[in-house]
Amino acid sequence: NAGVMQNPRHLVRRRGQEARLRCSPMKGHSHVYWYRQLPEEGLKFMVYLQKENIIDESGMPKERFSAEFPKEGPSILRIQQVVRGDSAAYFCASSPPTGRSTEAFFGQGTRLTVV
Amino acid sequence: AQSVTQLDSQVPVFEEAPVELRCNYSSSVSVYLFWYVQYPNQGLQLLLKYLSGSTLVESINGFEAEFNKSQTSFHLRKPSVHISDTAEYFCAVSDTDKLIFGTGTRLQVFP
Repeated sequence: NAGVMQNPRHLVRRRGQEARLRCSPMKGHSHVYWYRQLPEEGLKFMVYLQKENIIDESGMPKERFSAEFPKEGPSILRIQQVVRGDSAAYFCASSPPTGRSTEAFFGQGTRLTVV
Repeated sequence: AQSVTQLDSQVPVFEEAPVELRCNYSSSVSVYLFWYVQYPNQGLQLLLKYLSGSTLVESINGFEAEFNKSQTSFHLRKPSVHISDTAEYFCAVSDTDKLIFGTGTRLQVFP
């Protein structure tokens, strides 16, 4: 049973480009969470999704950031027109249909570097 | 809103010595508490969690944490650390549908 899969593991983008981060949840999991870890900081919640539905996006920046979890395929976190301050590790977690964060498993993360 | 405080950003310790990583949380309601470990350039792995029941919870690699409601604490302890325990440790509290993390404690074990 594969764990939460994130790709790419490392992503380099120039300022102004778009970054797309992918997360495939564990088998049987239908809820996905995205967290951001800035250098020397803890993880900060960004968004919580279930299939085709955003449950809680209270941690998402108001501009340039969007997330989706389509019926088929991985969850995507999209960052448009990236800036240096977007450089961080982005972690995805998934949980079963109960949706409780008490049963969330984390992926290895995508480390985004904006140059 | 829930919050988590990890007072120690770094804890240096010699191998085989005991260690305590401190975590305090703020909440007026029932909480679920977690410790996660992050090895360099890796993701987060769940170390242990408190949901209910016994206030002392243990992990398979010798760590334990005690939920103390009166002190709103969930400190992580290990009686004898190994070099391989060198990592970043994050305390977290469950806030309905998401986790609130502390800023982390870097445990550095020296030979």
